[in-house]
Amino acid sequence: QSVLTQPPSASGTPGQRVTISCSGSSSNIGSNVVNWYQQLPGTAPKLLIYSNNQRPSGLPNRFSGSKSGTSASLAISGLQSEDEADYYCAAWDASLNGYVFGTGTKVTVL
Amino acid sequence: EVQLVESGGGLVQPGGSLSLSCAASGFTFSSHSMHWVRQAAGKGLEWVSYIRYSDSATYYADSVEGRFTISRDNAKNSLYLQMSSLRAEDTAVYYCAREARGVDWLIDYWGQGTLVTVSS
Repeated sequence: QSVLTQPPSASGTPGQRVTISCSGSSSNIGSNVVNWYQQLPGTAPKLLIYSNNQRPSGLPNRFSGSKSGTSASLAISGLQSEDEADYYCAAWDASLNGYVFGTGTKVTVL
Repeated sequence: EVQLVESGGGLVQPGGSLSLSCAASGFTFSSHSMHWVRQAAGKGLEWVSYIRYSDSATYYADSVEGRFTISRDNAKNSLYLQMSSLRAEDTAVYYCAREARGVDWLIDYWGQGTLVTVSS
């Protein structure tokens, strides 16, 4: 059972903005950076956002991340059909002495 | 181009053992810490284990501690996961993953995964 909680699903129409939350605690998000991964159907995960709000080179600026206290968020603006995927937050947890992933959020483009 | 290719997955009986390998190319393997992450069918990602590039220090998830062993061979650009006392709940796709240089606990590349099925 993951210690980082995400909503199981989120949806929007093309062009809309979708936000995904990731709730943790002082031992993970509260004291460490958050990374986000995108997993398209049938493929391996891909790094989307790192160090709370940094985008890897080449990633569209439609994706943005933020963190406040023990929670983090991923926003997708200008939603596109190719954004249909599962999204996971992740962070180091000092209490567990390990890396923890969020429960995952499935984004659907209506 | 960074490439991570896992192998060694398959069907194993409960209580059995299996060894996974990950062949790395396209980067200086010895300069990167590495991870194993797994994903059961239809489920989320679960971090399994980590090995540091500098001193081969290792970390494990509680769910596999004492049963799995991560190791690396820098001369062969290879990462390994030795799994023993396997349980049905270990059934998953196992991903080999690279940690970014200079940024702790940031996985930046993933392999395509190898399927491990524990069943009688």
